[in-house]
Amino acid sequence: EPEVTQTPSHQVTQMGQEVILRCVPISNHLYFYWYRQILGQKVEFLVSFYNNEISEKSEIFDDQFSVERPDGSNFTLKIRSTKLEDSAMYFCASGRRREDTQYFGPGTRLTVL
Amino acid sequence: AQSVTQPDIHITVSEGASLELRCNYSYGATPYLFWYVQSPGQGLQLLLKYFSGDTLVQGIKGFEAEFKRSQSSFNLRKPSVHWSDAAEYFCAVGDVDGGSQGNLIFGKGTKLSVKP
Repeated sequence: EPEVTQTPSHQVTQMGQEVILRCVPISNHLYFYWYRQILGQKVEFLVSFYNNEISEKSEIFDDQFSVERPDGSNFTLKIRSTKLEDSAMYFCASGRRREDTQYFGPGTRLTVL
Repeated sequence: AQSVTQPDIHITVSEGASLELRCNYSYGATPYLFWYVQSPGQGLQLLLKYFSGDTLVQGIKGFEAEFKRSQSSFNLRKPSVHWSDAAEYFCAVGDVDGGSQGNLIFGKGTKLSVKP
């Protein structure tokens, strides 16, 4: 059964460093999403991506964040200059249609020191 | 604004007992509703979803949920809980109103503990 994969599973970085979180969505899906979950809190939407561009983003997704689908299979989230408060679990999700189930990857735990 | 409320932060039930996890939503249009489960250190697994049609939906692992428009609720139920059901459960609504691209709005989650 196809699934969403994410790498790395855990990333530790120093404050101010750039990180790239990688995701491989399910191959025939067209809608891609990033969410984050700060420890002990609810899952929050960051950004959606469709037709090779950002279709929607939340207030959290400021200029420090960017997304890219560089090669038709990977979907990346870049944080340019990490802050302590960026420490969270980051989930990638994909879906076939806008009104459809989103399938989540296992997440990348980002720890900013 | 759209929102999802899960009023119970933590519930403990005995193995074999029935379970109901509550979820209320605030959403202007017809909601797309989901329940996801998250085991410790794991990702989010879809349990079931409601898009339209029969308001009682069946999911995996013996779970079901009932959509009640009049109460703005989508409660999750299981007749007999197993120890392996211990996890955190998230209710979510898919935001497709006004051109939104289907991003999910999650509740804060309910942690389920199961007593032997």
